[in-house]
Amino acid sequence: SAVISQKPSRDICQRGTSLTIQCQVDSQVTMMFWYRQQPGQSLTLIATANQGSEATYESGFVIDKFPISRPNLTFSTLTVSNMSPEDSSIYLCSVEKAANEKLFFGSGTQLSVL
Amino acid sequence: DAKTTQPTSMDCAEGRAANLPCNHSTISGNEYVYWYRQIHSQGPQYIIHGLKNNETNEMASLIITEDRKSSTLILPHATLRDTAVYYCIVRPRYNQGGKLIFGQGTELSVKP
Repeated sequence: SAVISQKPSRDICQRGTSLTIQCQVDSQVTMMFWYRQQPGQSLTLIATANQGSEATYESGFVIDKFPISRPNLTFSTLTVSNMSPEDSSIYLCSVEKAANEKLFFGSGTQLSVL
Repeated sequence: DAKTTQPTSMDCAEGRAANLPCNHSTISGNEYVYWYRQIHSQGPQYIIHGLKNNETNEMASLIITEDRKSSTLILPHATLRDTAVYYCIVRPRYNQGGKLIFGQGTELSVKP
């Protein structure tokens, strides 16, 4: 298994500010992903965090709005920039330890933007 | 876009088997079938996955039809704690993207 620590667990932010979410894994992993879950909805993949290179973003998500870092095989950050109330969601980190195996999810960051 | 179709909701009596169907008629030969569940206010939890053979673990069984166009997740003795949203996902192999794309899932309610 993989133990994922995601911080903060929740935050309330003002419009126009930015929040950085951290994802720390207890062991090296091959792949890391960031998801968003809007209220009452399913999960939507934001991007794949690539170690040592730029993240790969899904359609509808851009680096300027959601910059992602992954400096090593156990850590990644997602920043939600210039926030608006529409960004209020749960943001989840997901990791895979070996190819074609199970993905593990963090407990998520509950973000509310006022 | 999600490549699976699931019923929106299902009920199951406590102690009985819960059989959750999933249609994935456009699945290709290099795609796995994964099942996850999400209990309210928690991150998704892995249940089981398979390629073409039936699979069983301590949580559930996965039955994949011979043509791989549909599958069924079986929780053999459902409990109240199994109440959750269950997601059936087809996922390409690692070297072809490996992304996990969620659909809307089935909301399973286990009733006493």
